[in-house]
Amino acid sequence: TQLLEQSPQFLSIQEGENLTVYCNSSSVFSSLQWYRQEPGEGPVLLVTVVTGGEVKKLKRLTFQFGDARKDSSLHITAAQPGDTGLYLCAGLRYGGYQKVTFGTGTKLQVIP
Amino acid sequence: GAVVSQHPSWVICKSGTSVKIECRSLDFQATTMFWYRQFPKQSLMLMATSNEGSKATYEQGVEKDKFLINHASLTLSTLTVTSAHPEDSSFYICSVRGVQFEDGYTFGSGTRLTVV
Repeated sequence: TQLLEQSPQFLSIQEGENLTVYCNSSSVFSSLQWYRQEPGEGPVLLVTVVTGGEVKKLKRLTFQFGDARKDSSLHITAAQPGDTGLYLCAGLRYGGYQKVTFGTGTKLQVIP
Repeated sequence: GAVVSQHPSWVICKSGTSVKIECRSLDFQATTMFWYRQFPKQSLMLMATSNEGSKATYEQGVEKDKFLINHASLTLSTLTVTSAHPEDSSFYICSVRGVQFEDGYTFGSGTRLTVV
């Protein structure tokens, strides 16, 4: 059973457009991370959010953790070709430092 | 942060043979490492948790006799795909986790296995 559903699954946009990726669950997470993975490489951590309602910004990327700690979003402003990749959310359940659950992934393609 | 080196980057092998993949934590003593499998355009599926000096913990549905994991030191974990078949072809990635969750997981660059 996949606990973290991401939407959309695939997204192809033009350079300069804005986009939002969603990560949803019926479960509550103590904290959540977002990773970006390029083809043939391992994922790289972008951000960790730990407080319900928290908003973090990383240049053109804005991350939000839902108030109920069940969902998160990633918003990219003025997308660039370098943003192309697979975006993965990953959640840590309550109960200690346990293995994370990865989301289903969103494949983003930014066309120049 | 931790630096993780995975080798080889890609390997092609014949059906029935075994393949060993190495995961090294270069600057971090990792008592625990994680092995994932990833199919094209899909997310990461945890296969097993590798524990230094003890047996690995396998996820449900993962054959422990097929995917042998050895974690003999604090810097090296290996995954051996035994008697490989074409359906084992996939992208295998290892990772170590930071001291705190906020530090995130550091992943190796992955190994593309093709069984012909």
